[in-house]
Amino acid sequence: AQSVTQLDSQVPVFEEAPVELRCNYSSSVSVYLFWYVQYPNQGLQLLLKYLSGSTLVESINGFEAEFNKSQTSFHLRKPSVHISDTAEYFCAVSGDSGNTPLVFGKGTRLSVIA
Amino acid sequence: DAGVTQSPTHLIKTRGQQVTLRCSPKSGHDTVSWYQQALGQGPQFIFQYYEEEERQRGNFPDRFSGHQFPNYSSELNVNALLLGDSALYLCASSLGTRVTDTQYFGPGTRLTVL
Repeated sequence: AQSVTQLDSQVPVFEEAPVELRCNYSSSVSVYLFWYVQYPNQGLQLLLKYLSGSTLVESINGFEAEFNKSQTSFHLRKPSVHISDTAEYFCAVSGDSGNTPLVFGKGTRLSVIA
Repeated sequence: DAGVTQSPTHLIKTRGQQVTLRCSPKSGHDTVSWYQQALGQGPQFIFQYYEEEERQRGNFPDRFSGHQFPNYSSELNVNALLLGDSALYLCASSLGTRVTDTQYFGPGTRLTVL
């Protein structure tokens, strides 16, 4: 079975500062990894995903995440955050090359301060 | 193009009652998955429907059941409600059943059990 640990429940950061949201996973089989974002009163939206190939994946709004197999991590980073990035971020894993349902972490609330 | 819609938005029930939640998938999508998101937690997979059949199921009791209609819309039924069933229930639709098929989430139905 897979599991996900998001090490920080809340991350406050000033506008235009860099941010890293940490995610570690546990799995005995090959994994696919995902980051989802949930804005207030909205459904989850896929931010980015790692399936195979390059370990560095990017989203269209400046976020990136790096798959590190040896450290079983998939941390999310952005070099300069905006107020509009304030949201809840969820890391998720699927094992067995995508044949198992998504398992989500508990989420990290990113608060960007003006 | 309407995204995933869910109804009702909010619902209040008492212990022991039964509830039905509804989901209309994004246009063109044939697969619907349901998740339970308790307060302060990440979404937890309940089950997935494709071709009007339950294809995968998470660790939820038989009190949780579902249905998919020929137009791909879906219902989630919960019998004998418990206080612990209070949560945000999310519906996600996709074109295909694999976890690599991008899921689009609705805004959710917030169920409160008193």
